[in-house]
Amino acid sequence: GAVVSQHPSRVICKSGTSVKIECRSLDFQATTMFWYRQFPKQSLMLMATSNEGSKATYEQGVEKDKFLINHASLTLSTLTVTSAHPEDSSFYICSAQLAGAGYEQYFGPGTRLTVT
Amino acid sequence: SQQGEEDPQALSIQEGENATMNCSYKTSINNLQWYRQNSGRGLVHLILIRSNEREKHSGRLRVTLDTSKKSSSLLITASRAADTASYFCATDDAGKSTFGDGTTLTVKP
Repeated sequence: GAVVSQHPSRVICKSGTSVKIECRSLDFQATTMFWYRQFPKQSLMLMATSNEGSKATYEQGVEKDKFLINHASLTLSTLTVTSAHPEDSSFYICSAQLAGAGYEQYFGPGTRLTVT
Repeated sequence: SQQGEEDPQALSIQEGENATMNCSYKTSINNLQWYRQNSGRGLVHLILIRSNEREKHSGRLRVTLDTSKKSSSLLITASRAADTASYFCATDDAGKSTFGDGTTLTVKP
């Protein structure tokens, strides 16, 4: 089946630093990837839609200069949290959409970010 | 705002019993998907039901979809302790998924 990986699975960083999270589709090409954020005991909130070779589309209220998304290839999208603050601590999950498969999404295992 | 609302928010049952979770949504959809999430982990895709389907089965899972009522239900039969997790419905609109608030299921051995 379609597998999506995320790296790292956990990261702790200091306030003011930047953190990059990678999302890879391992055995398929994904023209579209999505980035979600999940706070404890809450649902997933879509942050942005990442399309290969073009700029990401951000949801309302998500700062594009703070959450930089790059979708450099059909198998890799990265999310960089710039100048991280403790309130950015969250669980970040990506998903990849299998091209031509009726919009089915495959989710990565998530990345736990803790900003101290 | 979230597209889906799930009911109940929390459900606690004994092993062997059936668990039913409901999801309501607001706009038209292409399909609806159910996911499971164990605590602190990623999402596991359970089942997808398309807007022109009414019922779908997968092992111990049964999903129904009523587009006239904009609602879906997930039934887990003969529950096991390993089914303990949060369950989310997600509606798809032109490729974008919107998640419900989720139901936390606890299955007691």
